[in-house]
Amino acid sequence: SSELTQDPAVSVALGQTVRITCQGDSLRSSYASWYQQKPGQAPVLVIYAKNNRPSGIPDRFSGSTSGNTASLTITGAQAEDEADYYCNSRDSSAYRPVVFGGGTKLTVL
Amino acid sequence: EVQLVESGGGLVKPGGSLRLSCAASGFIFSAYTMNWVRQTPGKGLEWLSSISSSSTYIFYADSVKGRFTISRDNAKNSLYLQMNNLRAEDTAVYFCASGYDYFDYWGQGTLLPVSS
Repeated sequence: SSELTQDPAVSVALGQTVRITCQGDSLRSSYASWYQQKPGQAPVLVIYAKNNRPSGIPDRFSGSTSGNTASLTITGAQAEDEADYYCNSRDSSAYRPVVFGGGTKLTVL
Repeated sequence: EVQLVESGGGLVKPGGSLRLSCAASGFIFSAYTMNWVRQTPGKGLEWLSSISSSSTYIFYADSVKGRFTISRDNAKNSLYLQMNNLRAEDTAVYFCASGYDYFDYWGQGTLLPVSS
């Protein structure tokens, strides 16, 4: 399968830890990347190559992978972390080399 | 500072054509794979097409294959998406993004409404 599955919505209390997951067969052979998107804005890369953060991304964001599941963990969620989060990976299927997950709406309570 | 700026969006009728452009600056455009991604209002991200740095490798999503054509002009630091036979379901915000394994920079997007 070349699909990536994410939970549609997740909530977390302010200051607590939250894990957002992404499942798909492509993750067995390709790293997941994670993007944060706030309303009316373009997506922003927050994690790449399994667990690397671009410059400017807080270290409370981390990534991991186990089998066919990739996870984005936010340790000590802040109000500004409320956003949509998307995973993506490359897919070995030649007909569709890039796939995105459906996105997870994170609410910080 | 890296910048990707899309242009060319606007209202088009079903069956019509349009070309989107993406102007790049602040990085070595000719060294990067480039991509088009769209987002239907209120929905998720959909990868549409990728083009390698020298245009050798080009891929399309099934939803646009045969209707959309990606191209680039490295001398002009520009990426393009020619869209033909547009449908109502192509209504979306279209983003250009740089990168191969991950999309490290994104433009702000250009809105394409397809409606009669």
